[in-house]
Amino acid sequence: AQKVTQAQTEISVVEKEDVTLDCVYETRDTTYYLFWYKQPPSGELVFLIRRNSFDEQNEISGRYSWNFQKSTSSFNFTITASQVVDSAVYFCALSQETSGSRLTFGEGTQLTVNP
Amino acid sequence: ETGVTQSPTHLIKTRGQQVTLRCSSQSGHNTVSWYQQALGQGPQFIFQYYREEENGRGNFPPRFSGLQFPNYSSELNVNALELDDSALYLCASSRGAAPSTDTQYFGPGTRLTVL
Repeated sequence: AQKVTQAQTEISVVEKEDVTLDCVYETRDTTYYLFWYKQPPSGELVFLIRRNSFDEQNEISGRYSWNFQKSTSSFNFTITASQVVDSAVYFCALSQETSGSRLTFGEGTQLTVNP
Repeated sequence: ETGVTQSPTHLIKTRGQQVTLRCSSQSGHNTVSWYQQALGQGPQFIFQYYREEENGRGNFPPRFSGLQFPNYSSELNVNALELDDSALYLCASSRGAAPSTDTQYFGPGTRLTVL
């Protein structure tokens, strides 16, 4: 069975603060894939990043960075110098090699960035 | 813009009725997946179609059914609507069905309300 847990239901920050969204996953597969999606109020899920289980290299893309640690089954997402436009629900998701490309999502973290 | 469109945007039905939701995938994307997202929760996988054949199903009853057409369009049909079917229905398309290479791109969703 696969499971994704996002323990933070809501986070509120002031603009320009850094914020980290936590994601912990469970899977029995040795090959799996992790994703982050952003869902603004419009409802559309916007793809942000994917990582493969065999690639633990962390990544930085502009103000976004991701910290993948297999030892703790975590795939955390950090926004540096947050902006009001970052306000959205952020979902962490997992797919397993043995389950095809179906995604298992966490419950999401509502991020509110206040001016 | 993901190139994935869904119609209608909103829909109101009464309990016991039937509904058809539509999705148009990106050209060249042979896989479509459907997800149900209840308010305040993460999306739940309903089923996936690859080249017009069902390619995996989540924990949803048979009254949820689908079709995929050669022109990259697809349908989600729900019979005998129940109040708990009220949700945002998201479709996602990807080039193939291999989790190792294929990322799913989502449409804006259809908000279904069952009264």
